[in-house]
Parts: sequence; C-alpha cells; structure tokens
Amino acid sequence: ETGVTQSPTHLIKTRGQQVTLRCSSQSGHNTVSWYQQALGQGPQFIFQYYREEENGRGNFPPRFSGLQFPNYSSELNVNALELDDSALYLCASSGVGQGALGYGYTFGSGTRLTVV
Amino acid sequence: DAKTTQPTSMDCAEGRAANLPCNHSTISGNEYVYWYRQIHSQGPQYIIHGLKNNETNEMASLIITEDRKSSTLILPHATLRDTAVYYCIAMGRAAGNKLTFGGGTRVLVKP
Repeated sequence: ETGVTQSPTHLIKTRGQQVTLRCSSQSGHNTVSWYQQALGQGPQFIFQYYREEENGRGNFPPRFSGLQFPNYSSELNVNALELDDSALYLCASSGVGQGALGYGYTFGSGTRLTVV
Repeated sequence: DAKTTQPTSMDCAEGRAANLPCNHSTISGNEYVYWYRQIHSQGPQYIIHGLKNNETNEMASLIITEDRKSSTLILPHATLRDTAVYYCIAMGRAAGNKLTFGGGTRVLVKP
C-alpha cells in the first residue's frame, strides 16, 4: 500500500494548454520529487523540493514548475503543453532531508497525461 | 551518479530464485546501490539498498562484490507477481538524492 497519492490518474489536454498535477505525500515526508516517464523508458528526474523550496532540477525547461506545501502536498505545473509532454508523471516522497542517504523513496502510481 | 548496466530482459521460473545482475564499475565510495522495481501501470517500488555489505529484507537479498563494481539482486522464490521492470541505481550525495533510472531489466516470471 503506497502512502503517496496522485490526482488525477488520467488527463487529456490540448497542445498549448496548462496543466496542474497533484501529489499528497506521506505524513512527515519533507522531500518530494517529480519524475516524467515516457512510454517504454525509465523515469526521468524533473525536480525535487525540500521544505517547500526547490533544491534540485533535471534537464527540463522552465515551463515545468512546482510547489510544495506545509501539509506534505505538492503540485507539478506544466505550461504551454507540447505533444512530447505526453507521459506518466510520478511523484515520490521521502522522510529523509536533503543530502541524507540510506532511505528509499515512496512513489505514487502516477498521472498519465496525454497531450493532443 | 555512476552509470549502471543491466541486461535488457530475463525469464525466471515460478518458485525458483531470480538473480538479477547489475554492473556499476565506476561507482564511488559514497554511492549506495539502490534497487527499485516497477510493476505495469504502477509507480516504482523500493526494494533494497546497500553500500558495501550484503543486505537482506523481506523482499530480496542484495549481494555487492568486494570491489563494489557489481551487485546482484536475488528474489529467493519468484512468483508471478514479481514480473516487473527492475532498476539498479547508484546514487550519492552529489546527485542531490535524485534517482537516475536507466532502462532496467524486464523480468518475466513464468509458471
């Protein structure tokens, strides 16, 4: 049973639109990461938030942005959607803070975004 | 993160042990080896991790060679529900704790 929930589970948007994906982490997990997984590939790191501040970013353009809230929830926002943004978006949380090692992340089941 | 290399796919008989190899020849001293798996239509699931000692938990065992250049994940009694893509990841502080997933090994457990 995962302690991370994501919504919605599926979403269809039109090219050029904006989308907000939501994640609710396990209580006490102050680190949240977002990943993009294209069909048939491994997840790719988008960014990470620790105590409501971004503290790491992958190779994604600025139109991918995020927020983390004190209640352990977070959002991924994507502006000006492109067809290539179609993917499974995964949220992962950890109870260990920045720079700490030795603990795994708990992933949600993801939001499948289709851009048409 | 150190690059990891895994076989693309492997089959395993139900009830038998599944041994999944991973090569991480450029791993540095402070990088842990993590294993995750992803069952179809689900998010990745943490399995186990280790630094240099062998590790065992309720899901699997992790055997790391003495030189730390490779490791093996062992599923002691594979079941059909173990069919998944298995990812081996080397991660250290410099990575900011981001997980770098490669292509993984697609494991098919057959009856």
